[in-house]
Amino acid sequence: DAEITQSPRHKITETGRQVTLACHQTWNHNNMFWYRQDLGHGLRLIHYSYGVHDTNKGEVSDGYSVSRSNTEDLPLTLESAASSQTSVYFCASSDDPISTNEKLFFGSGTQLSVL
Amino acid sequence: AQSVAQPEDQVNVAEGNPLTVKCTYSVSGNPYLFWYVQYPNRGLQFLLKYITGDNLVKGSYGFEAEFNKSQTSFHLKKPSALVSDSALYFCAVNNQGGKLIFGQGTELSVKP
Repeated sequence: DAEITQSPRHKITETGRQVTLACHQTWNHNNMFWYRQDLGHGLRLIHYSYGVHDTNKGEVSDGYSVSRSNTEDLPLTLESAASSQTSVYFCASSDDPISTNEKLFFGSGTQLSVL
Repeated sequence: AQSVAQPEDQVNVAEGNPLTVKCTYSVSGNPYLFWYVQYPNRGLQFLLKYITGDNLVKGSYGFEAEFNKSQTSFHLKKPSALVSDSALYFCAVNNQGGKLIFGQGTELSVKP
């Protein structure tokens, strides 16, 4: 079955280190998204992509970057990890038209702790 | 700017009773509205959506939601709650900009 997988499930890192979270989907979806989930804030959009070589900033993009070199993968990089980036990170994908994004498929999340 | 609000952090319901999880939205133009559910240690799962048409939308697991344009609300409902419905519920809105904006989430607890 097609799916969306995130790795690692858990990550502990130190302040200032570069960290990359992986997201891989096998649905051949054009649209991919990264969200972070924090208590009291729900899910906030970090970056998103509507296709290969396309990337866009979301509402909380500072300190994060993404690249889209193929359809299946959208890795999220924290350039210099900060304690404020301790969070649960979710990747999602969809193949719906850009105007509606009717349904997102989510990965199981990555719990990142920055010490 | 578009936004969505879930006024209740937690909703407690007895099994077998009806449940309502509230959501209000603010968006220019016609809203596309969604409900997602998150079980512990899992990603979000799509429940239902309103795009256009009938104001009462039926979704997965017996859930339904009522779109009310005058009150800018999209409340999630179920006639008879199950213990297995206990989870975190998110309302989301898209105003054709291609991105979903999520509410803060409401934790639903159904007790036997």
